[in-house]
Amino acid sequence: EVLLVESGGGLVQPGGSLRLSCAASGFIFSTYSMNWVRQAPGKGLEWVSYIIGSGTTIYYADSVKGRFTISRDNAKNSLYLQMNSLRAEDTAVYYCAKDQQLGHWGQGTLVTVSS
Amino acid sequence: QSVLTQPPSASGTPGQRVTISCSGSSSNIGSNYVHWYQQLPGRAPKLLIYRNNQRPAGVPDRFAGSKSGTSASLAISGLRSEDEADYYCAAWDESGVKFGGGTKLTVL
Repeated sequence: EVLLVESGGGLVQPGGSLRLSCAASGFIFSTYSMNWVRQAPGKGLEWVSYIIGSGTTIYYADSVKGRFTISRDNAKNSLYLQMNSLRAEDTAVYYCAKDQQLGHWGQGTLVTVSS
Repeated sequence: QSVLTQPPSASGTPGQRVTISCSGSSSNIGSNYVHWYQQLPGRAPKLLIYRNNQRPAGVPDRFAGSKSGTSASLAISGLRSEDEADYYCAAWDESGVKFGGGTKLTVL
């Protein structure tokens, strides 16, 4: 059974940083691309970033380009999102999702950017 | 403003058939697969339809997807109260995934 568990969310001040993690199990992690998707309170889904299995191809949404960095550690079956220069509009539940079809999702971790 | 356009709301009575549309462009729906997600209240999204019209294991055949040109549709037949949820379409674009704004389905 595929299981994705996000962690690392919390309250951070504007301009601050946070690192999210996603622990994966139930599949051969290194062979699948992964995504981060976020959902602001009461709003729709917004794709954030994508990384292929080898980590050599990465894409970002324009809204986070230059501030967020996606990475993965295939030896630890883990996906990460380093978030810098955080803004109020980055407040959202952040989900990790497996493969190009976003076939499986974690339960999400809440990031709140506020002073 | 989402790149993919969905109606904000839809409704139906139990047993009815409802459809939700998703309109895009040649750079997303027109040249890539469309996927649909169901998000029950307070829950994470779940893949409902992938590659335009394929159902993951466990998804009832009451749910059907289709695509034509730069538009796609999700049809739900035999509507049930547990289908009340938000539904999102998605497709890859040049360098990322684009979502529709979501459609809130109400079962009357």
